[in-house]
Amino acid sequence: NAGVTQTPKFQVLKTGQSMTLQCAQDMNHEYMSWYRQDPGMGLRLIHYSVGAGITDQGEVPNGYNVSRSTTEDFPLRLLSAAPSQTSVYFCASSYSGQGETQYFGPGTRLLVL
Amino acid sequence: TQLLEQSPQFLSIQEGENLTVYCNSSSVFSSLQWYRQEPGEGPVLLVTVVTGGEVKKLKRLTFQFGDARKDSSLHITAAQPGDTGLYLCAGISSGSARQLTFGSGTQLTVLP
Repeated sequence: NAGVTQTPKFQVLKTGQSMTLQCAQDMNHEYMSWYRQDPGMGLRLIHYSVGAGITDQGEVPNGYNVSRSTTEDFPLRLLSAAPSQTSVYFCASSYSGQGETQYFGPGTRLLVL
Repeated sequence: TQLLEQSPQFLSIQEGENLTVYCNSSSVFSSLQWYRQEPGEGPVLLVTVVTGGEVKKLKRLTFQFGDARKDSSLHITAAQPGDTGLYLCAGISSGSARQLTFGSGTQLTVLP
């Protein structure tokens, strides 16, 4: 099993550009989530999904959209990038929810100029 | 929002020394997890503690959950360079809507 995979590993954007961060898992996990990690602030939840077709907002959802059309994939979209979105983004999955072991991807490092 | 404070934020020690990392909150958690993150990678779960007062050992790492389930500690004995990394605690709230809250992390560097 590949576990949780994320692409790209690095990305540089200009303010106002859009992009999609890809996340996929092959563990048949129902729960998937996106976090951003900033220095001194730990991991903050952006959006999450408890199953295909179901998504909800986390702690810091503004500026981000998600969708979950399949169990395996959970892409994160930045519609109009801002410098405040410069961060490292992690996708995670678990069998059924936040109260279980989270399996994280390797992360996407994003720089918005 | 439940807050988890970790201390110290940075810790640099020599190989062979012992250290303790603390994770504190004013909120009660149903359980608490500890993750370790290496540069360029995502966090990996080390342990989950569930019962107040619980102590779990993982080789040279000892994890303790406070009696009141508001705090936790991670003690490393005879630290090695391979222990270098970011240690994150994460609390799971009580109730049906179980939410995971991460602490800000402790960056540990073990010098050879």
